[in-house]
Amino acid sequence: NFMLTQSHSVSESPGKTVTISCTRSSGSIASTYVQWYRQRPGSSPTTVIYEDNRRPSAVPDRFSAAIDSSSNSASLTITGLKPEDEADYYCQSYDSNFHWVFGGGTKLTVL
Amino acid sequence: QVHLVESGGGVVQPARSLRLSCAASGFIFNTFAMHWVRQAPGKGLEWVAVISYDGSNKYYADSVKGRFTISRDNSKNTLSLQMNSLRAEDTAVYFCARDSCGGDCYYYFDSWGQGTLVTVSS
Repeated sequence: NFMLTQSHSVSESPGKTVTISCTRSSGSIASTYVQWYRQRPGSSPTTVIYEDNRRPSAVPDRFSAAIDSSSNSASLTITGLKPEDEADYYCQSYDSNFHWVFGGGTKLTVL
Repeated sequence: QVHLVESGGGVVQPARSLRLSCAASGFIFNTFAMHWVRQAPGKGLEWVAVISYDGSNKYYADSVKGRFTISRDNSKNTLSLQMNSLRAEDTAVYFCARDSCGGDCYYYFDSWGQGTLVTVSS
């Protein structure tokens, strides 16, 4: 099984742009889709990105994501930061042995 | 609207058993695979188990294999997790989650319940 590694925390000011990264330890990041989930304090996770870079209809286009094969990583970018974006963000993918893998999560603080 | 409600959590002693349930509504339950995902206090998300839409296939995380059993009752729109030989490290909020892929397939988690807390302590 592989691991997904995320930075522990990131902070940025309202209106700014932040990027959260997720690095896969083995195997190609492009071999299976990456999803991103947002978990606000005291709430259940919700999907903000699926299939590497697709947004559910309820998620604003301030959220985007990409895959970088050269660094074997995925990234989530949030532009025009708002206080309500403050949350934990988790990347997730899966392997061929029916195991779903989460990154350790990145705590986003909007100062 | 998908609605998932977990129940059955509580405080249990190490080595004992506990059974969690998840009541599903708002979608055709017997056409979606279902998962359990857990989150230890202050920690990240950990996938636990998945069951296929018809219950014929089940897969587990290595950390729970042989101790936990996932099952479903499609006639009652209910997902269950039987947890045996519980350990302190099983202490977590347990979420049930719907797989986004309808039919005989697995994909990602598109709907989550609110979770139920399991505390393993003597």
